[in-house]
Amino acid sequence: QVQLVESGGGVVQPGGSLRLSCAASGFTFSSYSMHWVRQAPGKGLEWVAAVSYDGINKYHGDSVKGRFTISRDSSKNTLYLQMNSLRPEDTAMYYCAKERIRAVTGTYGMDVWGQGTTVTVSS
Amino acid sequence: SYVLTQPPSVSVAPGQTATITCGGDYIGNKNVHWYQQKPGQAPVLVVYDDRDRSSGIPERFSGSNSGNTATLTISSVEAGDEADYYCQVWDTSSDHYVFGTGTSVTVL
Repeated sequence: QVQLVESGGGVVQPGGSLRLSCAASGFTFSSYSMHWVRQAPGKGLEWVAAVSYDGINKYHGDSVKGRFTISRDSSKNTLYLQMNSLRPEDTAMYYCAKERIRAVTGTYGMDVWGQGTTVTVSS
Repeated sequence: SYVLTQPPSVSVAPGQTATITCGGDYIGNKNVHWYQQKPGQAPVLVVYDDRDRSSGIPERFSGSNSGNTATLTISSVEAGDEADYYCQVWDTSSDHYVFGTGTSVTVL
């Protein structure tokens, strides 16, 4: 079945770095754009970043631009989020999600989500 | 940046209809998607492209979009519909997805 499994979360000090991974299975990973979405404790959903199906185009939200980098390795069916210069306000559950329509980025929604990995930024 | 505004909460009795709005400038020109999120769970896509239901979503869930407001309607509400609901669009001016502020639906 179609599945996304995140890993790599943990506790990190402000200014530190962390790399999240999202292992995909059950679909042709290289045909779909992928996203990271986060949710701070008790708050709403915030889109973080997207990468096109071919890995060429990358988009980052304003709150993470210059600090976070999304990437993918289609040979490993894995999505990544490199997070640098972490701040307390980056504390959240991080979800990876699949674009609903193949070969496009944005517009059509996200039809598959992982269960998330928790990132806590605290001294 | 593009902003989507939802009411913080909606309360509805079982069997009645819940209406959740999502306001945004000229949102009628965009594809709107709706997600349901229950406590401790990942979001689930319930309606996409304004009005199409995802696989396995009951016909009680319907969507519409026109002008500056998109709407998710849940008819014959059941206790299991109690959740947070988020609208979402792709903002072409910034190439960002944008989520609404979220609405908590309580079944009385």
